[in-house]
Amino acid sequence: SQQGEEDPQALSIQEGENATMNCSYKTSINNLQWYRQNSGRGLVHLILIRSNEREKHSGRLRVTLDTSKKSSSLLITASRAADTASYFCATDLGAAGNKLTFGGGTRVLVKP
Amino acid sequence: ETGVTQSPTHLIKTRGQQVTLRCSSQSGHNTVSWYQQALGQGPQFIFQYYREEENGRGNFPPRFSGLQFPNYSSELNVNALELDDSALYLCASRSVGVTEQFFGPGTRLTVL
Repeated sequence: SQQGEEDPQALSIQEGENATMNCSYKTSINNLQWYRQNSGRGLVHLILIRSNEREKHSGRLRVTLDTSKKSSSLLITASRAADTASYFCATDLGAAGNKLTFGGGTRVLVKP
Repeated sequence: ETGVTQSPTHLIKTRGQQVTLRCSSQSGHNTVSWYQQALGQGPQFIFQYYREEENGRGNFPPRFSGLQFPNYSSELNVNALELDDSALYLCASRSVGVTEQFFGPGTRLTVL
């Protein structure tokens, strides 16, 4: 079973538009991370937000975390064709082993 | 600094066979985790190794086993392959006490 669930499952936008995807999870977390995956290859770490943080920015990325609703969102501003990828949220429960529990992902297509 | 590497890139096996996948951790990283990613799904945690011992395991049967070597390279062994074992296998390395994990490009295993 997967801790996080992303919404929507797929997203198609035009270059220059913003892309927003959401992640919901079930149990208390230590931190939540977002990853990008291109064409079934390895995962690239994008951003980490700790449970005591509410918002974080990295370049064109903005992540929010609402622990009361057990949800997070990832916003990609001014999207580019190179942003076409699958995006996953992963929760770290903080237990020994740093096991990451991933959601099913949002597949984003940015059309030029 | 070299990244995480995995070999082989692709592998085809038949049901009932055994397979060994290899991972070379990023320089300076002493913890390695393995994940299984079925097509269209998020990665699922298999297990983690630290100081050559298993340090956390996901919901996978004992026919999934691993090794970590003194140079922090790692192997994932799967015995008695089943069709459902067809997936992308990802390894990720990190330094102990550091949250961010660095993923390799993965090995795509097809079981016929």
